[in-house]
Amino acid sequence: GENVEQHPSTLSVQEGDSAVIKCTYSDSASNYFPWYKQELGKGPQLIIDIRSNVGEKKDQRIAVTLNKTAKHFSLHITETQPEDSAVYFCAASPQGAQKLVFGQGTRLTINP
Amino acid sequence: DAGVIQSPRHEVTEMGQEVTLRCKPISGHDYLFWYRQTMMRGLELLIYFNNNVPIDDSGMPEDRFSAKMPNASFSTLKIQPSEPRDSAVYFCASSPTGGELFFGEGSRLTVL
Repeated sequence: GENVEQHPSTLSVQEGDSAVIKCTYSDSASNYFPWYKQELGKGPQLIIDIRSNVGEKKDQRIAVTLNKTAKHFSLHITETQPEDSAVYFCAASPQGAQKLVFGQGTRLTINP
Repeated sequence: DAGVIQSPRHEVTEMGQEVTLRCKPISGHDYLFWYRQTMMRGLELLIYFNNNVPIDDSGMPEDRFSAKMPNASFSTLKIQPSEPRDSAVYFCASSPTGGELFFGEGSRLTVL
């Protein structure tokens, strides 16, 4: 089955700097790759997603890139702000399945 | 819409007791998912339903766990008997199409 690896497990950046989180997946048939943000005491919430027919997608300060050949995708956050501090999860959805397999999560801390 | 509603938010019980977690999905969503979150294993899919029918229960750890969805607006996850290793946060999520997941705020279970 699908396996998703996420790095780093923790990341600390200065406010205003950029943050990058990387994920790799194992199933070449996976075709949907969302990113979720989880704040303390809350459930994860979708922040951006990308499908396998697209290489890059951007939404304001957040962007996701996908390299299907290498089977990896990344989340980029620019001009980080204190409210970006949270745990971020990548996920992959095997083709034909409606379920998501999540990475282990990255705890992002933005230092003022 | 109020979002996905889970109850109880916190549950503390003793080993051997039965635990029932409840979920009300967003109206109109055809998919319902149960996830478990722990520090060691991250977010694990336990089971998911489509139109009230269980589709994939391969993540259910053992026979002590069972899930039902008697109608489109209600689902339960039951653990009987509970064990300390079942301590985790259990999330219910719903989805209109199986893509974006809408998570509840979780039920934190502690088994003593």
